[in-house]
Amino acid sequence: DVKVTQSSRYLVKRTGEKVFLECVQDMDHENMFWYRQDPGLGLRLIYFSYDVKMKEKGDIPEGYSVSREKKERFSLILESASTNQTSMYLCASSYQTSGRGNTDTQYFGPGTRLTVL
Amino acid sequence: GNSVTQMEGPVTLSEEAFLTINCTYTATGYPSLFWYVQYPGEGLQLLLKATKADDKGSNKGFEATYRKETTSFHLEKGSVQVSDSAVYFCAQVANDYKLSFGAGTTVTVRA
Repeated sequence: DVKVTQSSRYLVKRTGEKVFLECVQDMDHENMFWYRQDPGLGLRLIYFSYDVKMKEKGDIPEGYSVSREKKERFSLILESASTNQTSMYLCASSYQTSGRGNTDTQYFGPGTRLTVL
Repeated sequence: GNSVTQMEGPVTLSEEAFLTINCTYTATGYPSLFWYVQYPGEGLQLLLKATKADDKGSNKGFEATYRKETTSFHLEKGSVQVSDSAVYFCAQVANDYKLSFGAGTTVTVRA
């Protein structure tokens, strides 16, 4: 079975802190994603990576950065956490079907619920 | 842009009731369509998917048919159980890599 793990299930940080959220997948997937989930808004894509050291902005990248130094690991970084970044963060991964296209299933981790005080 | 609209919840049902969650999409062409489910305290899991018009995805008693003419992918289950209580998300993947999600529908099934 595909396994996507996230470093923490719950995290509490203070405004202005630098926050690292880690995600690891064990299926040799090329694509990895970071989403945030908020009530009534569904999931919104923050960043996407289709290869090591490659990244693309999603729909809401402001206030976030990412790092992909190894194929299996994709990190989300909040340079200076703010209260409006309190949310559930979900990592996902998938194979590429052709080139950079992705029409295949995304596999999700359990999520990290981040609270910024 | 591409978006997915799904029925707002919350939806509360009794066991063995019929469940329908409506979903419509806006992507042009032939996007792949998905239903994901999120059980309490867990991440999202793929429930079913369809990749071309008239395809029917099915899993765990749930079904959804890809209707190109109405741009819909409604989720149905004939007899729900308490264990089906979850949040259900409709999603589409179009010509690019992005997976667009609906807002989610919370379903609660009472014994």
